[in-house]
Amino acid sequence: KQEVTQIPAALSVPEGENLVLNCSFTDSAIYNLQWFRQDPGKGLTSLLLIQSSQREQTSGRLNASLDKSSGRSTLYIAASQPGDSATYLCAVQTSGSRLTFGEGTQLTVNP
Amino acid sequence: DADVTQTPRNRITKTGKRIMLECSQTKGHDRMYWYRQDPGLGLRLIYYSFDVKDINKGEISDGYSVSRQAQAKFSLSLESAIPNQTALYFCATSDFRTGLTDTQYFGPGTRLTVL
Repeated sequence: KQEVTQIPAALSVPEGENLVLNCSFTDSAIYNLQWFRQDPGKGLTSLLLIQSSQREQTSGRLNASLDKSSGRSTLYIAASQPGDSATYLCAVQTSGSRLTFGEGTQLTVNP
Repeated sequence: DADVTQTPRNRITKTGKRIMLECSQTKGHDRMYWYRQDPGLGLRLIYYSFDVKDINKGEISDGYSVSRQAQAKFSLSLESAIPNQTALYFCATSDFRTGLTDTQYFGPGTRLTVL
């Protein structure tokens, strides 16, 4: 059974700091790994999707890496802003479009 | 307008009541999903549907049933609600025609409380 773990569970940083969120998964037989953002009272927004054959994806200040063999992914946020405050979820896709989610990292960026 | 909508957004009900949560999408996607989110447990898949005639159980289907009334509509029912079904419920869609790596798009969620 696939298990996804995210560390840390919560993170508080001052504005402008670069930060890294970590995700690990137990079964390397994945199709892709996705990072989502969840804001209170709202649904999940897809940030980045890394296919199993890729090593990284970038979108603006976000960079996600994937090391499938070791079962790890990182989400790097550069020059953090208060608007980045949210819960970040990592999910891996296995057969049949099924996503297995981690518990999330709650990020607070302080002005 | 939102691409994936869920109704109701909030619902408080009593143990034993039948509840239906509805999901509609305008994205034209073929695949739809129901998840629940509990504090400390992340999101878990309840049911998923690849098309109108295809329904599959997810990780935690006991106590739930679904109906895919049309390509754009996927409803989740709790036949006899119990307190441990109190959670945040999300509907999602994806388009498998793009290949195996299909991004899922989520609705805003329904907060269900069973007293």
